[in-house]
Amino acid sequence: RKEVEQDPGPFNVPEGATVAFNCTYSNSASQSFFWYRQDCRKEPKLLMSVYSSGNEDGRFTAQLNRASQYISLLIRDSKLSDSATYLCVVKGRQTDKLIFGTGTRLQVFP
Amino acid sequence: GAGVSQSPRYKVAKRGQDVALRCDPISGHVSLFWYQQALGQGPEFLTYFQNEAQLDKSGLPSDRFFAERPEGSVSTLKIQRTQQEDSAVYLCASSWPTQGSLNEKLFFGSGTQLSVL
Repeated sequence: RKEVEQDPGPFNVPEGATVAFNCTYSNSASQSFFWYRQDCRKEPKLLMSVYSSGNEDGRFTAQLNRASQYISLLIRDSKLSDSATYLCVVKGRQTDKLIFGTGTRLQVFP
Repeated sequence: GAGVSQSPRYKVAKRGQDVALRCDPISGHVSLFWYQQALGQGPEFLTYFQNEAQLDKSGLPSDRFFAERPEGSVSTLKIQRTQQEDSAVYLCASSWPTQGSLNEKLFFGSGTQLSVL
């Protein structure tokens, strides 16, 4: 079983739709959580950190459920430019390495 | 430089050949990471340096893989006797660790796409 699991998708949604991605992690000692975005044939880039209380950045909302060991990302009012792969990322307590999920591919169509 | 620089951008190797991939991190970044990304997969951790010290090499798939960062800046990932299963994009990332902060942002290079024939 992979340490970080995501539904690979693809999620095909129309512009303006709301879409949600979930991610589960297996190591209960995990300390920090992030969502990264990766465009086709490009490098991953940090989208947002995920805080225990939940956090929002514009149209993006991230939630963390430590008891169930899952992380979510909600995108409201989807734009064509949101089309990308969204990577769920987890960091352990005693390590600096980030563990990436497989990624969930989002395709927003007109 | 302005960002993490990796070279070469593309590398084609014959099976059995040795290759060396270079990473120039952002100036002043203490931490440097190597990841391997196969097509359709997320990046898989290979190894991690803090300055010149290799603190974690648990992700290196075999003893054919070797990484170094002798002066705490530029790093080289070497793969000996390449195999077809080594074909992937090799990503380098650097960061300035901020202890106690959740904003641990990795800056990735564009990667080296390795194809082993």
